[in-house]
Amino acid sequence: GAVVSQHPSWVICKSGTSVKIECRSLDFQATTMFWYRQFPKQSLMLMATSNEGSKATYEQGVEKDKFLINHASLTLSTLTVTSAHPEDSSFYICSGITGAYGYTFGSGTRLTVV
Amino acid sequence: TQLLEQSPQFLSIQEGENLTVYCNSSSVFSSLQWYRQEPGEGPVLLVTVVTGGEVKKLKRLTFQFGDARKDSSLHITAAQPGDTGLYLCARNNDMRFGAGTRLTVKP
Repeated sequence: GAVVSQHPSWVICKSGTSVKIECRSLDFQATTMFWYRQFPKQSLMLMATSNEGSKATYEQGVEKDKFLINHASLTLSTLTVTSAHPEDSSFYICSGITGAYGYTFGSGTRLTVV
Repeated sequence: TQLLEQSPQFLSIQEGENLTVYCNSSSVFSSLQWYRQEPGEGPVLLVTVVTGGEVKKLKRLTFQFGDARKDSSLHITAAQPGDTGLYLCARNNDMRFGAGTRLTVKP
């Protein structure tokens, strides 16, 4: 079946540095990729929707200059957390559309900013 | 702000008990999905419901979609510790999730 490979699975970075998270679609072309953030014991909050070859659509309250999304190819979407701060520590997950009702999620990236 | 309301938020039961969790919205769903998520992992799709009044079964799990397509429920029969997890509903048209129900099944 369709798989989204997400890397890294966890990362620890220093405050002020940037971190890039990659999501690759295997065996399917992800025209659209959803990016979510999940804080402990909470649900998934949609951050942005990225479409291949165009600018991402960000949800209200999500800083587009801080969370840079690039979807340059049909198989790769990246989220870069710029100038990370401890409050950005969270679980980030991507999801690609595989069909009319098909959504495949990555395994998530646990980001810890120290 | 969650556009989908899920209840209860937390549920702790003994093995063998039955339970029902709910997902509600003030607007009509075109279709809705239920997921289960374990800590540190991505959500796993359980079912997609599309038609009002639809009932789908997945082993001990029964999913219902309201006639008006504004609500859905998940019923688990004879819960087992392996059912423990975060149960999430999501609107298909924009893939927004409800707040989730955190289920714990004690042996």
